[in-house]
Amino acid sequence: GAVVSQHPSWVICKSGTSVKIECRSLDFQATTMFWYRQFPKQSLMLMATSNEGSKATYEQGVEKDKFLINHASLTLSTLTVTSAHPEDSSFYICSAGGGFSYEQYFGPGTRLTVT
Amino acid sequence: AQTVTQSQPEMSVQEAETVTLSCTYDTSESNYYLFWYKQPPSRQMILVIRQEAYKQQNATENRFSVNFQKAAKSFSLKISDSQLGDTAMYFCAFRGGSRLTFGEGTQLTVNP
Repeated sequence: GAVVSQHPSWVICKSGTSVKIECRSLDFQATTMFWYRQFPKQSLMLMATSNEGSKATYEQGVEKDKFLINHASLTLSTLTVTSAHPEDSSFYICSAGGGFSYEQYFGPGTRLTVT
Repeated sequence: AQTVTQSQPEMSVQEAETVTLSCTYDTSESNYYLFWYKQPPSRQMILVIRQEAYKQQNATENRFSVNFQKAAKSFSLKISDSQLGDTAMYFCAFRGGSRLTFGEGTQLTVNP
């Protein structure tokens, strides 16, 4: 199957700072990328959907000014958590889909810890 | 909006035995896909099996098979000959359009 990478795999940042997480599709062109948030022992919650070259669509309750998503190319999407706070500590997972397939291919996730 | 329900938060099975994980969903769409994903301790999401709603035949992938009851909106996963490596969180997911909706998950433990 297709490969999606995320970087970094684990990041620790101080409260009030911003952190950027990258999601890359390594061997296919991802027309759509998705960002999920997962708390321990819970399910994946969709935060936003992004299509290459257009603005992301955020789920209800997700602050678009806090979670900035950019999908500038068919292989790269970024999630920037601005002015991070301890409650933003979570596991963030991206997935990518191409128009040819109904599957979403998941990255390995990024653990964010805000101190 | 679609909803996906997994009513078994935790299950356990002895190695080599068979276990069935339950999933129900609610939708008004007629064309959709259903998936089972596995999330081991590494937290990497792994696709286990998929089912297209228009197909009547139940999907199978080696030791994994589903029982898809479209009218009842039920989509259970059967794992045969359970192995220690099957220990993971299992998520049922619905896709109508581009987005996936996940169930709450079932933590499966395979005991030696």
